[in-house]
Amino acid sequence: NAGVTQTPKFRVLKTGQSMTLLCAQDMNHEYMYWYRQDPGMGLRLIHYSVGEGTTAKGEVPDGYNVSRLKKQNFLLGLESAAPSQTSVYFCASSSIGTSGRVGYNEQFFGPGTRLTVL
Amino acid sequence: KNQVEQSPQSLIILEGKNCTLQCNYTVSPFSNLRWYKQDTGRGPVSLTIMTFSENTKSNGRYTATLDADTKQSSLHITASQLSDSASYICVVSPYYGGSQGNLIFGKGTKLSVKP
Repeated sequence: NAGVTQTPKFRVLKTGQSMTLLCAQDMNHEYMYWYRQDPGMGLRLIHYSVGEGTTAKGEVPDGYNVSRLKKQNFLLGLESAAPSQTSVYFCASSSIGTSGRVGYNEQFFGPGTRLTVL
Repeated sequence: KNQVEQSPQSLIILEGKNCTLQCNYTVSPFSNLRWYKQDTGRGPVSLTIMTFSENTKSNGRYTATLDADTKQSSLHITASQLSDSASYICVVSPYYGGSQGNLIFGKGTKLSVKP
């Protein structure tokens, strides 16, 4: 099993350009998440999905869009990149909850995408 | 406001020594607390998950403790190895009436283990 994979690993954009980050998981997880990690800050949730065809906003959703057309894939789009979106982006996935307790589901993270917007 | 504070920000220890990392949180109501290890340039990897009813959990040389009354957790690393050099992130999950609460991440403690 590859777990959670992300493409690309690195990308440099100019202000105003668009791009899509791809996340794929092979663990048959229902939930998927996109986070950003900035220096001196904890990971912050951008968007998440609780199942195929559903998405929801997280803590910092502005400037990003997402889609979950297939259960194993979660796409993060930047329509018009800004320097403030320079960050490391992590995708994660989790099951509904193996112990039956709500919220007790381990999240598995991908290796990250380092994005620089000039 | 729900927050997770970690201390120290960074720590340098010699190989073979023990260390303890601290986490204080104000998240309420509380579902569970997790510790993650993040190597440089990689994604976080889960070390332990504890619910409010658990007060200790071990994973090899890593032992996490939780005091839900004082809202404090610690991660103790025994007999440190060079491979323990990483950031350690404390993460708290709120509990909202039966629904999954979005995780709240601390800023992490950067641990360097020197030979």
